[in-house]
Amino acid sequence: GAGVSQTPSNKVTEKGKYVELRCDPISGHTALYWYRQSLGQGPEFLIYFQGTGAADDSGLPNDRFFAVRPEGSVSTLKIQRTERGDSAVYLCASSFKPTAGANVLTFGAGSRLTVL
Amino acid sequence: AQKITQTQPGMFVQEKEAVTLDCTYDTSDQSYGLFWYKQPSSGEMIFLIYQGSYDEQNATEGRYSLNFQKARKSANLVISASQLGDSAMYFCAMRDSTNAGKSTFGDGTTLTVKP
Repeated sequence: GAGVSQTPSNKVTEKGKYVELRCDPISGHTALYWYRQSLGQGPEFLIYFQGTGAADDSGLPNDRFFAVRPEGSVSTLKIQRTERGDSAVYLCASSFKPTAGANVLTFGAGSRLTVL
Repeated sequence: AQKITQTQPGMFVQEKEAVTLDCTYDTSDQSYGLFWYKQPSSGEMIFLIYQGSYDEQNATEGRYSLNFQKARKSANLVISASQLGDSAMYFCAMRDSTNAGKSTFGDGTTLTVKP
């Protein structure tokens, strides 16, 4: 597609439920990133994929969070046993292979998760 | 560890005036990149400008310029001739060569342009 697509745009769930958030990156972008943005804060890194593999998952807060990218394109962020503290906007971005240079991230509009 | 500090939670500027948004950073790496992104109320982050740590010239992109002072570890964004559509959140971010896939963001500055 022309941009990074994220679904759903809004998700309201109850504490303890399981949630999946989907990201469809820009065609041709090999790298895909997940960030979490809490109210009034900047995006916080969660995980990034180069191709199908997670190249860095150091930002995942605990083992309730998991992400996959089985075919090197679409990615799903999975959150088990959701907690109220998981409420945030989950941003997905994609890019060409990251280097230390001007590798610009293209972001989607985000998935707003609210855990009641 | 990388750290980005944006000390101005909110800024106001008159339409057509210039405004500077502050950003300081901390890294032990010699090779790194600095970025500014704009986040309108719609939520989608938009890339504005990039500065590499070895670039000798300050980056410019249209009305945006980056005032890079390496010794001070600052990378301030200057917006000239502000427009009402510039009202948004602005984030400074960096990435270094030790972990090229991970960007660290500041907490942002909310810019409001007054007519």
